Amino acid sequence: DTAVSQTPKYLVTQMGNDKSIKCEQNLGHDTMYWYKQDSKKFLKIMFSYNNKELIINETVPNRFSPKSPDKAHLNLHINSLELGDSAVYFCASSQEGGPGTGINTIYFGEGSWLTVV
Amino acid sequence: SQQGEEDPQALSIQEGENATMNCSYKTSINNLQWYRQNSGRGLVHLILIRSNEREKHSGRLRVTLDTSKKSSSLLITASRAADTASYFCATYRDTGRRALTFGSGTRLQVQP
Repeated sequence: DTAVSQTPKYLVTQMGNDKSIKCEQNLGHDTMYWYKQDSKKFLKIMFSYNNKELIINETVPNRFSPKSPDKAHLNLHINSLELGDSAVYFCASSQEGGPGTGINTIYFGEGSWLTVV
Repeated sequence: SQQGEEDPQALSIQEGENATMNCSYKTSINNLQWYRQNSGRGLVHLILIRSNEREKHSGRLRVTLDTSKKSSSLLITASRAADTASYFCATYRDTGRRALTFGSGTRLQVQP
């Protein structure tokens, strides 16, 4: 069974469209993330949710809206897509070890390749 | 801002040689982790080293951490063609934001 699964894997769409990427984890983790990897492989966090509560919201345009219906799901909706949104989007999850112990391991999905034309 | 910086950006070696990758970071950390990414795939966790540890081993991997220099290194011994991938360090700060911050990675090519 795939631990962190995200769909679709490939998405080609026109500028101005709205699209969603879905993510589900079956690890029982309480924290989920969206990361964006650009063409230079630089990986940057976008959002983090803990038990459905938004924890981290980096300087991401408000065209990007995460939705967490439950702690096993974190979907990413993108409005009015722009050329610069083309990237690979990774969903991930982790379980913190407790206060002060930090994050042990992040489990990543296989990525969603978004191309805006 | 970017927390981790890997060095070198790219590394090409022959099978059987050792590969060393370095990572520098800016703020104090709780732990530092190394991840591997095969082409077209997600990242996979390799090893975690806590701020009070100086060295850790896992199979052919050896990680060192120098908190005074804010740097870490990943050594892969007796490399294989299958080790070809990008390797990322990621840091978890001891205060503030509860997320791993990644560097830009080292692209390792192991020639058979």
